[in-house]
Amino acid sequence: AQTVTQSQPEMSVQEAETVTLSCTYDTSESDYYLFWYKQPPSRQMILVIRQEAYKQQNATENRFSVNFQKAAKSFSLKISDSQLGDAAMYFCAYRSGGGSEKLVFGKGTKLTVNP
Amino acid sequence: DAMVIQNPRYQVTQFGKPVTLSCSQTLNHNVMYWYQQKSSQAPKLLFHYYDKDFNNEADTPDNFQSRRPNTSFCFLDIRSPGLGDAAMYLCATSSLGGLAGARNTQYFGPGTRLTVL
Repeated sequence: AQTVTQSQPEMSVQEAETVTLSCTYDTSESDYYLFWYKQPPSRQMILVIRQEAYKQQNATENRFSVNFQKAAKSFSLKISDSQLGDAAMYFCAYRSGGGSEKLVFGKGTKLTVNP
Repeated sequence: DAMVIQNPRYQVTQFGKPVTLSCSQTLNHNVMYWYQQKSSQAPKLLFHYYDKDFNNEADTPDNFQSRRPNTSFCFLDIRSPGLGDAAMYLCATSSLGGLAGARNTQYFGPGTRLTVL
């Protein structure tokens, strides 16, 4: 079974600085998808970024980018120019490409942005 | 805007009193999911529908049931809520077709926070 590990329960960053959240996963599959979701306190789970395993190029969405290292099974999220609104719980998630609908989540990293 | 809607946002029920949570979507996605999320934990998948096909997770208690009368709506029924069922319940949708960027991505509703007294 696939597992997703987020080794940093909490992280903090100064406003306008850059922070990297770590995620590693374990799978024997070659076809899969990886996601980062953001969940602000008492608010909706929002997709931040997604990465298809077959793509070598790292995904980027504005200030958010990933470092996808397939051989190392690592999928870190970099947030540049951090803003107060980035404060949230961030979940890394894995989805098999083989038809299983299940998202496997990590336990999350709580990000605090200090003004 | 296309979206996933959950009603109510907050639900209070009594121990043992059946409760139904509602999810609707305007995305026309063929897959709908129900997750349970307890405080400071990751979401846990309860079950999902692929069109009309119901897929239960092996460890989902029998106390939890679901209905999907049409593409747009899906309901979560908790037959006899216990104190341990107090949680945030998240509905999500995804499409196995459509644009490559959106395919296989799950989109979440705002959740219903259930309190059991």
